[in-house]
Amino acid sequence: KAGVTQTPRYLIKTRGQQVTLSCSPISGHRSVSWYQQTPGQGLQFLFEYFSETQRNKGNFPGRFSGRQFSNSRSEMNVSTLELGDSALYLCASSSPSGGYIQYFGAGTRLSVL
Amino acid sequence: GQQVMQIPQYQHVQEGEDFTTYCNSSTTLSNIQWYKQRPGGHPVFLIQLVKSGEVKKQKRLTFQFGEAKKNSSLHITATQTTDVGTYFCAGDNQGGKLIFGQGTELSVKP
Repeated sequence: KAGVTQTPRYLIKTRGQQVTLSCSPISGHRSVSWYQQTPGQGLQFLFEYFSETQRNKGNFPGRFSGRQFSNSRSEMNVSTLELGDSALYLCASSSPSGGYIQYFGAGTRLSVL
Repeated sequence: GQQVMQIPQYQHVQEGEDFTTYCNSSTTLSNIQWYKQRPGGHPVFLIQLVKSGEVKKQKRLTFQFGEAKKNSSLHITATQTTDVGTYFCAGDNQGGKLIFGQGTELSVKP
């Protein structure tokens, strides 16, 4: 079974730009969660999508948004980038039958200059 | 909101020494999960604890879930250099939303 795939792996953007990250979950997994990881803040939960609906949301500003498609693939968008948005963005897929164990992708490393 | 605190933040040990990281939640959890992230890698699931007072072992790793389901610990016996990485606990008090602790970064000196 293929794992979670995130694209792109690396991104360099400038302040004010917007960015879209993509995540393809493990086949059969309908839940996709996004996390931001920074050295000082650890793993911060952004949001979770289940069957195309946002089911849970973390404490991030509205500049962070996401969506999920009918094939469970998910995208995350960050608008009006700030320097502080530089981080590793991790996507994880899971299933209810699996106790919502998170299977993480390799992440997208975003650098905002 | 729910918080999950993990200590210590860093632990440096000599190879062969034991290591323990502790996790405390501000609310009762339905289950707790543990993950390991190697340097430069992504978190990888280790184990899930569901029952009050549960203890599970994986070779040299021992995981415990507190009686009140608000705390947990991971103990590694006789650390090896392959144990290097950051260990995260993650608490779940409702389906689908995990709150991760800050992680404990373990370094092992050969």
